[in-house]
Order: sequence, then C-alpha cells, then structure tokens
Amino acid sequence: NAGVTQTPKFRVLKTGQSMTLLCAQDMNHEYMYWYRQDPGMGLRLIHYSVGEGTTAKGEVPDGYNVSRLKKQNFLLGLESAAPSQTSVYFCASIGPSGSVAKNIQYFGAGTRLSVL
Amino acid sequence: KQEVTQIPAALSVPEGENLVLNCSFTDSAIYNLQWFRQDPGKGLTSLLLIQSSQREQTSGRLNASLDKSSGRSTLYIAASQPGDSATYLCAVGGGGADGLTFGKGTHLIIQP
Repeated sequence: NAGVTQTPKFRVLKTGQSMTLLCAQDMNHEYMYWYRQDPGMGLRLIHYSVGEGTTAKGEVPDGYNVSRLKKQNFLLGLESAAPSQTSVYFCASIGPSGSVAKNIQYFGAGTRLSVL
Repeated sequence: KQEVTQIPAALSVPEGENLVLNCSFTDSAIYNLQWFRQDPGKGLTSLLLIQSSQREQTSGRLNASLDKSSGRSTLYIAASQPGDSATYLCAVGGGGADGLTFGKGTHLIIQP
C-alpha cells in the first residue's frame, strides 16, 4: 500500500515553461487536495476535488489548473511558470467519503519546484 | 477567514523534558483539528486527530487537547527524545471537503 505518491520529486523550470505534477493515491479516497508550502507562510490550499470529474478552487488558485479524470489521480498544471510559483507542493487525500470529520489527511512526500 | 497561530515558532529543550506546543484558531466552527509532524524535506505525517465533539486524543507519549469554545489546542509531548525533533503543524478542518487551514508550525529541537 503506497498511500499518496507524487511525481516528480524535484523539478527546475524556466519562466514561461509548463509542467504537470501528478498525484496518485491507492486508498480509494474520494477527496484530494493540492497545497503549496512556502517559508513563513505555512501550507495553503491551491485546488481540491471531491470526486472523479470534479474540482474546486482553494485559497491560492491563480496560475494553476487541475484535473481529476480518474479517482486515483489528481493532476496539477502550471501553464506558464513564474518565479512566484517556486515552492514545495504537497498532495493529500481523505477518505472514505461521508466522514470527513473522522478521517485524517494523508500526504505525499512533496514536489520541490524551482522556477528561474 | 480562519486563521491558525502556533506558539512558540521554535523550541529547543534537553532530552527527557515534558513540553507543550500551543495552537489557537479564530473561528470555533470547526469539524476537527489535526496535529502533524514534518521532518526536513519530507511530507506530513498525521499524529492525532480530534473531532470537534472530543476534548482530547492520546497516542503513546503524545496527548492533544481541544477547547473549541476558546479556540485553542495543545500538544503535550512526554519524556521528549531526540527523535522527536521535527516541525509540528496544527491544522483545523472547517467542514465539508475544502481542506485544512494550517498554522506555520513549531520547530522543535530535542538536545541529546
């Protein structure tokens, strides 16, 4: 049972380049999340999904897009990377549905992204 | 908007001491509160989850309490060990599926 797996672990981009971060969970969880963690800012929610085919904006969604085509995968896209998007990105999931209050969030190991 | 504050931001204590980490939140309408541990360069590991109807949870040497009406939680670590050195994060769930609101963490160092 791998839990929540994020790929890649590290990436360096040039300003204006695009990339997609992949999050995969094997726990059959309904809810999935993308956060970013910056020094002095804590973790902030970018986008989330309550199920296959559904996504919603979090606290800091600008510059990012997401897709949840399969229940186990949640993709985070940067269409035109900017230096302000240099951060550590974490994916998380909660399940099963119907008991959000009782279930802990499981986190991936993170993706360290630098935009030059 | 929910805001979560953790005090202190950093703490260094000798091995064996009991210690308390503090977390406060501005909106008492929460579903749950979680304490996480984060090691350098790693992801977050959930330590304890307290539902809004509960007052405390215990796991081994860890005990977390929740006073929803006053907007406070504490994480008590008994008989600290060097392996407890990490950043501890407090996060509150506001209900529904819209994720957690995190504090900035307490960086804990346990001196051997």
